[in-house]
Amino acid sequence: EAQVTQNPRYLITVTGKKLTVTCSQNMNHEYMSWYRQDPGLGLRQIYYSMNVEVTDKGDVPEGYKVSRKEKRNFPLILESPSPNQTSLYFCASSTIGGNGYTFGSGTRLTVV
Amino acid sequence: QKEVEQNSGPLSVPEGAIASLNCTYSDRGSQSFFWYRQYSGKSPELIMSIYSNGDKEDGRFTAQLNKASQYVSLLIRDSQPSDSATYLCAVKGAGANNLFFGTGTRLTVIP
Repeated sequence: EAQVTQNPRYLITVTGKKLTVTCSQNMNHEYMSWYRQDPGLGLRQIYYSMNVEVTDKGDVPEGYKVSRKEKRNFPLILESPSPNQTSLYFCASSTIGGNGYTFGSGTRLTVV
Repeated sequence: QKEVEQNSGPLSVPEGAIASLNCTYSDRGSQSFFWYRQYSGKSPELIMSIYSNGDKEDGRFTAQLNKASQYVSLLIRDSQPSDSATYLCAVKGAGANNLFFGTGTRLTVIP
């Protein structure tokens, strides 16, 4: 089944403790992206990648890092999480120029 | 910054009625337009895409695009309670792959 897999689905952590949210797709998509979704603010792009070793900032990159060492994986790293990073996070992928994105199931992160 | 505007709602319609969802966008160079449906706590699901002016129909859904007015809409005919969700409008620019999303319109279909 074609899908984007995110882990974990839920995570509660403490301020300053480094964490990684994994994202993997099995569709051989070149493009991958991370979004966060907050009430009243909609989906905002954090980082995106056009291909292996090619990443770029979205609209809200502060406090996040990404890497794209393999085509299928695009992890999101929070080096020192803060409470304002409490949010619902989605990973998405597509072909270049493709018809919309395929989204992962989401990761609900709470930083206390 | 590309802006995509939607009325946040909530929009309530009775079962069997037509629900009309609207979206405007700021970037005149935008080329591709999408409607996603998102149930509470779930991921967005693509339901319609439209690229040229006019109407595009798929089952009970019709997307309408007017590039001159920078306006895109989604009509849902014979609305069902299962259509109750948040509908996200998304826009992609020419030669780009990034999607810009509106904040969504929450639709409630009343049985």
